[in-house]
Amino acid sequence: AQTVTQSQPEMSVQEAETVTLSCTYDTSESDYYLFWYKQPPSRQMILVIRQEAYKQQNATENRFSVNFQKAAKSFSLKISDSQLGDAAMYFCAYRSGSNSGYALNFGKGTSLLVTP
Amino acid sequence: EADIYQTPRYLVIGTGKKITLECSQTMGHDKMYWYQQDPGMELHLIHYSYGVNSTEKGDLSSESTVSRIRTEHFPLTLESARPSHTSQYLCASRESYYNSPLHFGNGTRLTVT
Repeated sequence: AQTVTQSQPEMSVQEAETVTLSCTYDTSESDYYLFWYKQPPSRQMILVIRQEAYKQQNATENRFSVNFQKAAKSFSLKISDSQLGDAAMYFCAYRSGSNSGYALNFGKGTSLLVTP
Repeated sequence: EADIYQTPRYLVIGTGKKITLECSQTMGHDKMYWYQQDPGMELHLIHYSYGVNSTEKGDLSSESTVSRIRTEHFPLTLESARPSHTSQYLCASRESYYNSPLHFGNGTRLTVT
């Protein structure tokens, strides 16, 4: 099974600053999809951003953008102009493009603290 | 606003009880999933379904069972709960196209005493 590694258990950022969360993954596939999810405390997990491996252009959603490095198998999330509401657990996830119910494999998560 | 609903939100039960965690979605999604998540840990897939009458076990071994008699309903059952089953259980669904995201419910936090 593909593994997803988030090497930063916790990160901290000041309001209005920029923070980058790291994610690497291990796969032998060429066709796959990558996601970042946000899980606020005691609240629903929601999608932040997604990237198709066949696309060279990095995905962007408002203040959230990714740096997708396919050769390095790296998929970092950049949050610009951080807000207090960005505080949450962030999970990086991988989906195979070819099998296994197309379920997501998740990393262990990074807890993001946003300070005023 | 969630279109996928899990009940109960919290459950505390004694060892040996049979329990069913409910999950329903109103989006008509064929694919549904159950994940188990311990505090501060990653999510582990325990069951999934491609559609009605289709169920498969996930990567994490689980003593639970699931059923999919209706598209919108994907309940998870523990025949005899044990303290090792204490965890958070997340239900999710998605559309069938390749890069469709998962939509998650709010989860059920189960404590077995």
